[in-house]
Amino acid sequence: DAKTTQPPSMDCAEGRAANLPCNHSTISGNEYVYWYRQIHSQGPQYIIHGLKNNETNEMASLIITEDRKSSTLILPHATLRDTAVYYCIVRVGGYSTLTFGKGTMLLVSP
Amino acid sequence: GAVVSQHPSWVICKSGTSVKIECRSLDFQATTMFWYRQFPKQSLMLMATSNEGSKATYEQGVEKDKFLINHASLTLSTLTVTSAHPEDSSFYICSAPIMGGTRTYEQYFGPGTRLTVT
Repeated sequence: DAKTTQPPSMDCAEGRAANLPCNHSTISGNEYVYWYRQIHSQGPQYIIHGLKNNETNEMASLIITEDRKSSTLILPHATLRDTAVYYCIVRVGGYSTLTFGKGTMLLVSP
Repeated sequence: GAVVSQHPSWVICKSGTSVKIECRSLDFQATTMFWYRQFPKQSLMLMATSNEGSKATYEQGVEKDKFLINHASLTLSTLTVTSAHPEDSSFYICSAPIMGGTRTYEQYFGPGTRLTVT
């Protein structure tokens, strides 16, 4: 799986949009961009994934650049419960495992 | 959405004893499940892949005789930490893949089991 680079931490005010960047310059053509998050002392939670088109679901939006070398996860209206470590992972869409990096610790403050 | 459960959520055991952790897929069948371990302030590390009806495959450096994995049914995988030592104290998390709408697999994780060995 290709490696990713994320900032170690970010802050966001409650109610504002949280934009979490991820660089994946060595991504292969058949690799997807996945986002997971882990709230303290819980198992990771799937958020969203995409190949090249932008994606949106009830939790977040995923914006992938045209060259696919970077992406941004957007939480449109962050709440205190969104405080977590966010992991950006690139992998093929098959039955493979996930390789977790250090992720971004997002702190949402009142 | 898909739910994966783990039991127990936390356990304290004495050094030298064995501990069994269960991972269940509640509303789907999982021929494969994954076991991860997470030490404090570190990221998740894959320990092994559990395969229903066959032997588990272990990652390099993980002792298969110490971490026994059994996947006897399509909804249950168990991890037994044998002869536990304080250095085995960690957060153990299982996951199972499900095919999503785009015909790619999404991993669903259990809530984790906190093991403390005294």
